[in-house]
Amino acid sequence: GAVVSQHPSRVICKSGTSVKIECRSLDFQATTMFWYRQFPKKSLMLMATSNEGSKATYEQGVEKDKFLINHASLTLSTLTVTSAHPEDSSFYICSARAPSAVVSSYNEQFFGPGTRLTVL
Amino acid sequence: DAKTTQPTSMDCAEGRAANLPCNHSTISGNEYVYWYRQIHSQGPQYIIHGLKNNETNEMASLIITEDRKSSTLILPHATLRDTAVYYCIVKWYNQGGKLIFGQGTELSVKP
Repeated sequence: GAVVSQHPSRVICKSGTSVKIECRSLDFQATTMFWYRQFPKKSLMLMATSNEGSKATYEQGVEKDKFLINHASLTLSTLTVTSAHPEDSSFYICSARAPSAVVSSYNEQFFGPGTRLTVL
Repeated sequence: DAKTTQPTSMDCAEGRAANLPCNHSTISGNEYVYWYRQIHSQGPQYIIHGLKNNETNEMASLIITEDRKSSTLILPHATLRDTAVYYCIVKWYNQGGKLIFGQGTELSVKP
């Protein structure tokens, strides 16, 4: 249990286009999801916290108009990279916080497999 | 959340124990120590967490010093598939705390 998926796993787009990445909790409802980005050879950087039914909370330095987050249901959060440029090329990872009914004694936050975005 | 310090990289021979240290000298009383790992081009994977007692599960053991200022993750019999970046993170448990990743330790298990 507690599986998180992302779609697509890999996307290549032209500069100036927008790209949507989906994050789904497959077997639990997640009121909170998180979005990270990771550049090659670097650590994960938290971009924003996504709460179901409310506006996302962005970390300092992350442009909210550039990275649109929508958490419309308890199992789905989406990240849209608007007007993508080559510097937006990165590995985007989401995670979902499981509710107490699902959390075992070992963990509360589950990560997706990541989406590699390449902007040409 | 408290900051952690880890060595940039470590090597380990296959079949031997891998001991990964982490310093968290500013940890507060209610903060837990979490360990995650990330195999190349995958999402992070939870390994173990603890507060002050040593913990063991099927993946690893976590040894936390009595003053809680440092900890060691032990992979008892490292395999080539354990090659990954290992992250030590300090945060509040199940209270909405964000996972803030440091640079981690790149562990290379060699045959």
